[in-house]
Amino acid sequence: GAVVSQHPSWVICKSGTSVKIECRSLDFQATTMFWYRQFPKQSLMLMATSNEGSKATYEQGVEKDKFLINHASLTLSTLTVTSAHPEDSSFYICSAQPPAGGMDEQFFGPGTRLTVL
Amino acid sequence: GNSVTQMEGPVTLSEEAFLTINCTYTATGYPSLFWYVQYPGEGLQLLLKATKADDKGSNKGFEATYRKETTSFHLEKGSVQVSDSAVYFCALTEGSGYSTLTFGKGTMLLVSP
Repeated sequence: GAVVSQHPSWVICKSGTSVKIECRSLDFQATTMFWYRQFPKQSLMLMATSNEGSKATYEQGVEKDKFLINHASLTLSTLTVTSAHPEDSSFYICSAQPPAGGMDEQFFGPGTRLTVL
Repeated sequence: GNSVTQMEGPVTLSEEAFLTINCTYTATGYPSLFWYVQYPGEGLQLLLKATKADDKGSNKGFEATYRKETTSFHLEKGSVQVSDSAVYFCALTEGSGYSTLTFGKGTMLLVSP
């Protein structure tokens, strides 16, 4: 099946620093990637939809200047948490979707645990 | 808008017991329906899906039937195992293809030996 990887799997950083999380589709091209945030014992909240070669579409309430998303190629999207603070600590999960007309589902990465001290 | 409602957990069962996790949805069009499973510390894995009314999705002994008349997609398994302990998410997309997922809040399943 389709595989999506994330790197790093976990990261601990100091407050005020920036952290970059990579999401890669390993065996298919993904014109669209999604970034989710999951708090403990809660559901996934969609943060933004990333389309290759264009600006990301952010969900209401998500600060685009704080959560920078870049989708530079058909297999890679990055999420940068800028000036991270403890309240940004969370589990970040990406998913990738093949072009319309292909598989009609999203394939999820294993997630990245961010802890901001 | 679209929404998914799942029964609250945790659901605690003994091994080999019968499992039902209820899921109902609200959608404006003709959604595709999904069950995802999340094991501790991991991302989501697609468990099964159904794309039109009366379809039954099945995988690893789990099954769910797309019931348009009751707007439901309940997850069932006849005999659970300890290894089934995880969080289960019901989700939908508006139609097939290019669309964002709307998730339920998730139901934790705990299976004891």
